[in-house]
Amino acid sequence: AQSVAQPEDQVNVAEGNPLTVKCTYSVSGNPYLFWYVQYPNRGLQFLLKYITGDNLVKGSYGFEAEFNKSQTSFHLKKPSALVSDSALYFCAVRYYNTDKLIFGTGTRLQVFP
Amino acid sequence: GAGVSQSPSNKVTEKGKDVELRCDPISGHTALYWYRQSLGQGLEFLIYFQGNSAPDKSGLPSDRFSAERTGGSVSTLTIQRTQQEDSAVYLCASSERTDGYTFGSGTRLTVV
Repeated sequence: AQSVAQPEDQVNVAEGNPLTVKCTYSVSGNPYLFWYVQYPNRGLQFLLKYITGDNLVKGSYGFEAEFNKSQTSFHLKKPSALVSDSALYFCAVRYYNTDKLIFGTGTRLQVFP
Repeated sequence: GAGVSQSPSNKVTEKGKDVELRCDPISGHTALYWYRQSLGQGLEFLIYFQGNSAPDKSGLPSDRFSAERTGGSVSTLTIQRTQQEDSAVYLCASSERTDGYTFGSGTRLTVV
C-alpha cells in the first residue's frame, strides 16, 4: 500500500541550531514528494516538492529536503532554526499514476529561544 | 480568485442536523480535494474531483457524507444527520497535475 510515515510526533530544537524532520515513504513506482507547514489556526502551506532531477530540493523560508531513493526518505532540513518555524509539518506522497496526496501524521516542530 | 476559499470558516451545529460546506477553488484548477483533520490528527482523505466527476470517493466515512462539484468549479460537501464524531476541520484543496495542492483555510465544524 502507498503510505508515508513521520516517525516523530514532535521535534524540539534550539534557535540557531540545524533542524531535521523525518519522512519515509513506501515503495511503489516513482513518487512525487511534498512538504507542507501548518501554522496555528491556518490552512496548510506548500513548502517544497520533489518530482524528478536533483535530489536536493530547496523551498520556502530557507527549508530544503533531500530525496534518498535507496532509503525511501525525504527528510526536511534547515541549517539554522527560527522560533517562527514552530509549526506542524506534514510530509505527503503522490504517485505518478494517481492524483491523490497521501499525508503523514504530522510532526510538531518546537523551536526554543 | 487568488486562493482557495472555504465557507463558512466556523460552523456550530446541533447533532442530527445537516450541514453544507463550500469550497471555491483556484480558477482553472481542474482537480479538487476534500480532507478532514481531527484534533491532533493528520489529514484524512475524503474525496477527489477531476472536473465534475469524482474518480475517488474512497475516503468518505459513511453514506451520511456526500459531495458534488458543478461547472468544474465550486464544490459542496454535505454531511447529513451530523454526529459528534464529525467535529473536525474540513480542508479543501485544488491543484494542477504535477503540482502540490493549494489549501483553503478550512471550515471548523463543531457538532454539539
